[in-house]
Amino acid sequence: SQQGEEDPQALSIQEGENATMNCSYKTSINNLQWYRQNSGRGLVHLILIRSNEREKHSGRLRVTLDTSKKSSSLLITASRAADTASYFCATFNDYKLSFGAGTTVTVRA
Amino acid sequence: NAGVTQTPKFRVLKTGQSMTLLCAQDMNHEYMYWYRQDPGMGLRLIHYSVGEGTTAKGEVPDGYNVSRLKKQNFLLGLESAAPSQTSVYFCASSLAGPNEQFFGPGTRLTVL
Repeated sequence: SQQGEEDPQALSIQEGENATMNCSYKTSINNLQWYRQNSGRGLVHLILIRSNEREKHSGRLRVTLDTSKKSSSLLITASRAADTASYFCATFNDYKLSFGAGTTVTVRA
Repeated sequence: NAGVTQTPKFRVLKTGQSMTLLCAQDMNHEYMYWYRQDPGMGLRLIHYSVGEGTTAKGEVPDGYNVSRLKKQNFLLGLESAAPSQTSVYFCASSLAGPNEQFFGPGTRLTVL
């Protein structure tokens, strides 16, 4: 069963705009991770935020985590055409990562 | 470093045939995983291994078997392929359980 659910399912933005996607989950977690998948490729790890952290930054990425609401958000600032991809949140609990169905982001030139 | 590699990249099977997917990693990671990805769904864990000689079931293990005879290799076997096993299969590895996972490029399998 999917632990995380991303919202929206799809997002289309203009180059230079910011993209925000959200992830909700159901049970307690050890950490939450975000991955990117370009079409036809494997997943690439973007950022990991632990359950005792509230915000984390990595380059143009900003992740927040609210464990009381069981939700996380991923913000990509100043988007580029190369950011076009699917983005997945994954929650780590017990022994495994559980992935959501992903948000497909299209960045228009 | 090649990272995580998967063999083959594509395969077409007939119902009832068997095959083995090979995953190799050169990062000396303890943990290895096999996932399947179906349209509109996230990745689902098939089997995983926490070290050489160990394997365990994930969310969707039925119809699959695995072996981890060497630390760097994790094999996924389909004994009698079914059309429901048509999917893209990804292997991943990590240093430890909660750590980031490194993914291979995937194997696209079609079962007719």
